[in-house]
This record gives sequence, structure tokens and C-alpha cells, in this order.
Amino acid sequence: NAGVMQNPRHLVRRRGQEARLRCSPMKGHSHVYWYRQLPEEGLKFMVYLQKENIIDESGMPKERFSAEFPKEGPSILRIQQVVRGDSAAYFCASSPSGTGTQYFGPGTRLLVL
Amino acid sequence: AQTVTQSQPEMSVQEAETVTLSCTYDTSESDYYLFWYKQPPSRQMILVIRQEAYKQQNATENRFSVNFQKAAKSFSLKISDSQLGDAAMYFCAYRSEQGGSEKLVFGKGTKLTVNP
Repeated sequence: NAGVMQNPRHLVRRRGQEARLRCSPMKGHSHVYWYRQLPEEGLKFMVYLQKENIIDESGMPKERFSAEFPKEGPSILRIQQVVRGDSAAYFCASSPSGTGTQYFGPGTRLLVL
Repeated sequence: AQTVTQSQPEMSVQEAETVTLSCTYDTSESDYYLFWYKQPPSRQMILVIRQEAYKQQNATENRFSVNFQKAAKSFSLKISDSQLGDAAMYFCAYRSEQGGSEKLVFGKGTKLTVNP
């Protein structure tokens, strides 16, 4: 059973460009979570999605950030007009309904020049 | 809002010895989950152990065990017979069972060094 997949693993963008991060959950998992890790920090929750629904986006910045989890395909975290402060590791996790355990992908390291 | 505190930024242990990492949390809820995750230099987040708050018995996974003190809101991780591969950042995390949100709240982590 393949684990949580994230791509790309590394992404370099210039200020003002768009970043798209993709996450494919483990097979059978319908819950997806996005977290951000700044250097020397713990992970901070951003958004929780189920298929076609955003359940909790309380950790998402109000502007430039959006997330989706369509009926078909991976979950996408989109950052528009990136700034240097967006440089971080972005982790996706998935869980099956109700178990309480989240399994993490390898992360995407975003560097904004 | 729930908070998780890891008061030891760094710890070290000799190979084959035992080490305990501390974690405390603040919540008004009675039902929740607690986790320890390991983040080695590869930066992958790896689940180490999980504890349900309603269970009085402390969770154990091979060389890893927890000391869960619900009244004290304490959740420490004990690593026995430490191995070089245990060197990593260790994060304590809390997950609520209320309100429909399944988000994890993480502490800032403890960096564990294992000396040969």
C-alpha cells in the first residue's frame, strides 16, 4: 500500500509567481490535511479537506492561499503571488474516516527567491 | 485553544541507554488523542506512537512507550535501548475529538542526539 505522495518534493519560485503543491492520499483515505513547517519550528495546521469539501480552513492565511480536494485527482494547495515568507516545508497528511491517526507525506520544500 | 509544550529543545543519550522526552498540553476536553512523531534528517514525519485519552493503559510500541498522566496533562515518551537511528526531531501532538476538526496541534519539538 503506497503511502501519501507529494509532488514536487522541491519547488523554487520567484516572488510574484504561483506555487501549486499536490498531494495524493493513501489508498482508502478520504481525509486530507495540509501543514506548514517554518525553519526550526513545529508543524502548523493550515486546512482540512474531505472529497470536494473544505471542513476546516482556520489555519489558512486569508489571502493568496487556497486548497481543494476534487472528486477525482490529488489535493492541491495553491499559493498565488508568493513572497519570501512563504518559504517553508509543506506537509500533507491523510487519514481514513474516524481513526484519528494521520499519516504524512514526505513534504514539499518551497523556496521563494 | 489547545496548546502543546515541549520544554526540552535538545536532549542527548548514549547508545543503548534510555531517554525520556517531555510533553505537556493544555485542554478543557476529556476526549482526545495524543501522538509522538519522529522527524529524521530526511524531514519525513513518522508516527511513533499514539494514545487515546480514554485509555488508562500506557501505549507501547517495541522500544517506545509513553507515560500518560491525564490529570497532570502530561505525555512523555520513553525510548529504551537507544539506537543511532533514533536520532531525530521528536514532536508531540494533540488531536481534539470535538468540533469536527481533526487537526493536529504540535509542540515545537525536541532534538534528540544519540552518541555512540
